[in-house]
Parts: sequence; C-alpha cells; structure tokens
Amino acid sequence: DQQVKQNSPSLSVQEGRISILNCDYTNSMFDYFLWYKKYPAEGPTFLISISSIKDKNEDGRFTVFLNKSAKHLSLHIVPSQPGDSAVYFCAASATGSGGSNYKLTFGKGTLLTVNP
Amino acid sequence: NAGVTQTPKFRVLKTGQSMTLLCAQDMNHEYMYWYRQDPGMGLRLIHYSVGEGTTAKGEVPDGYNVSRLKKQNFLLGLESAAPSQTSVYFCASSYSFGSTEAFFGQGTRLTVV
Repeated sequence: DQQVKQNSPSLSVQEGRISILNCDYTNSMFDYFLWYKKYPAEGPTFLISISSIKDKNEDGRFTVFLNKSAKHLSLHIVPSQPGDSAVYFCAASATGSGGSNYKLTFGKGTLLTVNP
Repeated sequence: NAGVTQTPKFRVLKTGQSMTLLCAQDMNHEYMYWYRQDPGMGLRLIHYSVGEGTTAKGEVPDGYNVSRLKKQNFLLGLESAAPSQTSVYFCASSYSFGSTEAFFGQGTRLTVV
C-alpha cells in the first residue's frame, strides 16, 4: 500500500510560468514532509521541507503548501527555469512517533520539464 | 566535507555472485539508509539503521543484508545476486542535532546478468 502518492508522472511548463507538483499521503502519523530534486545520474538533493505545525514554507522561488485535513501537499516553483527540469520526489516521515523515527517514505516522483 | 560517499559507482554481476556496497558519511549522522530506485517505482527503502550496531528492515529487504559496525559506515550485501536486483542503489544519512533532512550519495548502478 503506497503511503505517499505522486499521481502525475510528468509535468511540462513554459519557462517563467508556475510549476505545481502535487503529493498525497495516507498515513496520519506523518508529521514532516520534504521535497527532493533529482537530476539524472545523481543522488536526490534536499529542496524544501515543512512541518505539520505549519501550512506554508517558502524558500526563494520554492514554496511548499500543506493541507493536513486533505492529506495533501504541493510544491510551487515560481518562476520556473530550464534548470529546474528534474524528477521531484515527495517524502514524509513520522518524527513524532516513539523513538523519533526519521525514516523517510518516498513517492514515485514527478518528472518536471521546463521548456525555454 | 564529502557528505555521503558510495563505492563502487557501477558494477556488473553474474547471477549468483555476491558483493558488498559501501556507504560512508562524515556528518556524524545517526541514521543511515539504503534505497533502491527502479523505473516507475520511486525510491524504496531496503534497510536502515538508527545507530551504530543497529539495523532494521525497510519495504523491500529480501535478498539483502546490512551491517553498521561503525557509525560512519553502512554496508549493503547481496549474498546471491539475482536479475531482479538490477537497480540503482542510493545510500542516505540523516539526523544530527538540528537537522532532519536526509543527504544522499551519488548512487551505485548495479546490473545482474
């Protein structure tokens, strides 16, 4: 049973426009969420995170929104740039559970292509 | 600061052969992980460790063994490789005081023929 779902395998946007990547989760114990970016032949790199006590976190062009009631989060990239073209993974962990578990559960990823 | 280093980067094995993938981190992280990435499957957790001397099973542990004898190293072993283990393997580490994000190595591409 997939606990973190990214239902869009791919997304294509024009340079300068907004990119919106979506992620849904089913495990109500998840309380910390992260987005990772991955280029071909490289390891994933951390992009931005959000705790469940917040509903928005912003870092430059990147903003993550969390809707706990819907168990949904999204990553907004504004403006999108060709260098943003990569696979984006949503991840979640249940840090508040006994033992401070920081184990990450990943979605399948969304391939973002930003066209010049 | 090297971060997370995986060796080797590439390997081709014959069915039934064994090998060990090495992961080393220099960030004094408590947690270490092994993931595999397959097309359309995302990153799936194989095994993880919450500290030196500890290991635990992840989502897809069958066919793999791990050891964490030293805090900075996490080894992934394949005792008898199978074609289904053809994948890209990523090691990651996380959790030091004030930090929860996981940092990944560059990956090991393993082909079993």
